[in-house]
Amino acid sequence: QKEVEQDPGPLSVPEGAIVSLNCTYSNSAFQYFMWYRQYSRKGPELLMYTYSSGNKEDGRFTAQVDKSSKYISLFIRDSQPSDSATYLCAMVGDQGSARQLTFGSGTQLTVLP
Amino acid sequence: GAGVSQSPSNKVTEKGKDVELRCDPISGHTALYWYRQSLGQGLEFLIYFQGNSAPDKSGLPSDRFSAERTGGSVSTLTIQRTQQEDSAVYLCASSPPPHSGRRDTQYFGPGTRLTVL
Repeated sequence: QKEVEQDPGPLSVPEGAIVSLNCTYSNSAFQYFMWYRQYSRKGPELLMYTYSSGNKEDGRFTAQVDKSSKYISLFIRDSQPSDSATYLCAMVGDQGSARQLTFGSGTQLTVLP
Repeated sequence: GAGVSQSPSNKVTEKGKDVELRCDPISGHTALYWYRQSLGQGLEFLIYFQGNSAPDKSGLPSDRFSAERTGGSVSTLTIQRTQQEDSAVYLCASSPPPHSGRRDTQYFGPGTRLTVL
């Protein structure tokens, strides 16, 4: 079993829809959670960073963390064609000095105009 | 300011040849990471450098893979005797110093797409 599970999609939605992207994880040591967006042939870019259970909002994006269920989500409101990309969840524990992230496999999202 | 840069952007090589991939991190970032991304897969951690500490090589898949970081800045990932299964996008990332409070914020370069024929 992978430490982080993410539905690969592909997910296709009409412009303006609310998008929900999710990851589950098995390692309770994970304390910090991130969502990255990766456009085709580009490196991932950080969208959201959170470390506590609950919601964090940034513009059209909301990150939700439920540590008791080991479940994180990213919601995109009023989705735009420019949101079409692969979305990767990532997480890291608080132990030790190494800070490598553990990534989900990514969900490919297409927002249709 | 300038982001993380990687070169070359694409590399095609023959099986058995050695390749070197270069990463220039963001100035002032003390941590540098190498990841590998295969088609349809997430990012696989390879190696981590933090300042002058010994690197964490726990993710390197075989002894054909090695990396060095000179002067705490530029890093080179070397793959010896390349195999077809080494074909992937190799991504480099850097992070601010631990005391910055943002040490988990990794900034990625565009990657090097390696194809082994």
